[in-house]
Amino acid sequence: DQQVKQNSPSLSVQEGRISILNCDYTNSMFDYFLWYKKYPAEGPTFLISISSIKDKNEDGRFTVFLNKSAKHLSLHIVPSQPGDSAVYFCAASAGAGNMLTFGGGTRLMVKP
Amino acid sequence: ETGVTQTPRHLVMGMTNKKSLKCEQHLGHNAMYWYKQSAKKPLELMFVYNFKEQTENNSVPSRFSPECPNSSHLFLHLHTLQPEDSALYLCASSQETGGADTQYFGPGTRLTVL
Repeated sequence: DQQVKQNSPSLSVQEGRISILNCDYTNSMFDYFLWYKKYPAEGPTFLISISSIKDKNEDGRFTVFLNKSAKHLSLHIVPSQPGDSAVYFCAASAGAGNMLTFGGGTRLMVKP
Repeated sequence: ETGVTQTPRHLVMGMTNKKSLKCEQHLGHNAMYWYKQSAKKPLELMFVYNFKEQTENNSVPSRFSPECPNSSHLFLHLHTLQPEDSALYLCASSQETGGADTQYFGPGTRLTVL
């Protein structure tokens, strides 16, 4: 049973608009969440993270929101750029020393 | 060279072959990981090494055999694989083990088992 789920396998957005990628989790012990971005033929690269003591973390065009009661996090990209087209994975861990559990990924396509 | 490198990038092997995947990290990290990504499935953690010691084996079949001779190098030895083992194998490293330390990934080895 998947503990981290990304229910949208793909998302298409116009350049300049906002991209919202969603992630749901079931394990209430998860307390640290990350987003990774993956281009074809490359490994995932770290994008942004959030600890469960926060509900928002912002880094430039990227903002991650965490709703602990709903066990839901989202990644907002604004404004979206064609170079943002990639597969985005959310991941979660349950405390220091615990391993990452990944979602299945969402393919984002930003159209010029 | 910087970051995490993996060789080969592509590998085709028969079910009776023996081959090895290599991973090298140039980041001074102490933890290294092997992940498997099958089509339409999430990344699955296979093995974790911390300071050259294996700390996690995620119920991986014995036909996959990891080796970590030092903190910079990680191998995955493959023998008598099955076609369902065809996948992208990703190596990662982090300063220490644990999700709070960002993991840096290599580009992966695309494995096809015939």
